[in-house]
Amino acid sequence: QQQVKQSPQSLIVQKGGISIINCAYENTAFDYFPWYQQFPGKGPALLIAIRPDVSEKKEGRFTISFNKSAKQFSLHIMDSQPGDSATYFCAALLYNQGGKLIFGQGTELSVKP
Amino acid sequence: DAGVIQSPRHEVTEMGQEVTLRCKPISGHNSLFWYRQTMMRGLELLIYFNNNVPIDDSGMPEDRFSAKMPNASFSTLKIQPSEPRDSAVYFCASSSQQVRYSYGYTFGSGTRLTVV
Repeated sequence: QQQVKQSPQSLIVQKGGISIINCAYENTAFDYFPWYQQFPGKGPALLIAIRPDVSEKKEGRFTISFNKSAKQFSLHIMDSQPGDSATYFCAALLYNQGGKLIFGQGTELSVKP
Repeated sequence: DAGVIQSPRHEVTEMGQEVTLRCKPISGHNSLFWYRQTMMRGLELLIYFNNNVPIDDSGMPEDRFSAKMPNASFSTLKIQPSEPRDSAVYFCASSSQQVRYSYGYTFGSGTRLTVV
């Protein structure tokens, strides 16, 4: 019930292409949905996040699409660049449980030049 | 801001030894989280604290694991005795829950633990 399912596990995209990563959840108590980016040897870093009362949020080349009825959300990276090559994690927050954050399994993105 | 500081960055120890990982959260953050990352299991939440009080330790794998937060600026995760399957990267993260929808975790750089 507290799982967040993420796909695909790995993704290869050409430079300039669109990268799409999908996540799904079951627990309707989740009430905040951040995405994290992790480079090798580093900790995950907050990339972008969305509230459940918003269907889309865009920051630069990164967009979250959120479908509350389907309990799904996705990250779109437009004009993907080699510097975007990293592991991406979706997450879901339980604010009323002390801010507990549950992570998806991660997607390893490789952007080819 | 120095961010979340973890030490050591790398730790190699022999099976059966005690291991202590340390974390200094960002000043002013009132929540602290310990995660373990492995290829097989991804990022697992081990335990978290709010205002220095443990809230949920259901992710702690065994009694060999323990965590403390004696004050707002320091936390430890201890493994005693350590086993090879404990080998992983351990992350500490902190956050502020003062304002809903406007915060996120800040992670440290992690401690890579190898138990041989």
